Amino acid sequence: ETGVTQSPTHLIKTRGQQVTLRCSSQSGHNTVSWYQQALGQGPQFIFQYYREEENGRGNFPPRFSGLQFPNYSSELNVNALELDDSALYLCASSLGSGANVLTFGAGSRLTVL
Amino acid sequence: GQQVMQIPQYQHVQEGEDFTTYCNSSTTLSNIQWYKQRPGGHPVFLIQLVKSGEVKKQKRLTFQFGEAKKNSSLHITATQTTDVGTYFCAGRSNDYKLSFGAGTTVTVRA
Repeated sequence: ETGVTQSPTHLIKTRGQQVTLRCSSQSGHNTVSWYQQALGQGPQFIFQYYREEENGRGNFPPRFSGLQFPNYSSELNVNALELDDSALYLCASSLGSGANVLTFGAGSRLTVL
Repeated sequence: GQQVMQIPQYQHVQEGEDFTTYCNSSTTLSNIQWYKQRPGGHPVFLIQLVKSGEVKKQKRLTFQFGEAKKNSSLHITATQTTDVGTYFCAGRSNDYKLSFGAGTTVTVRA
């Protein structure tokens, strides 16, 4: 059984650029959620995808968008990057449409300069 | 919206001592989960509590869900260096969203 894998592990962007982060869910899981974790803070819910549709969203602006693919993998896209977007982006997979037990990936560390 | 708060933010413990970290929600929760994040790592699921007043144990860790389902606690006995990390509670009050607290970061003095 493979766990949740994320890529890239680290990346550096400049303000105004766009970034795409990728996530492969754990085998057997059909739901993917994305979290932003700033340094010293708890993970903040961005959105969740179930059966290729967004079925929940946190307090993040529309420039944060995502996709889920038929194999349940997912992408997080962030446009018009701001300095405050610097954070660890965590992908978590689970089984079912509710907020069930999450299996997190190792995260993508984004630095915006 | 729902807010989940944890205290203390930092816990410095002498090896072998006990400590407790607390989690409080502004709304009634359907369940609460606890995760542990080691330094430089990612959150790892520890346990889920669903029933009012529920108590669960994992070796030296005891988890409790309050009667009103608005608070929870994690008690660790005989702290070891392997307990170092940040412990997060995450409360669920609707179908899709888990709200995480800011965490309690535990350091251990040998």
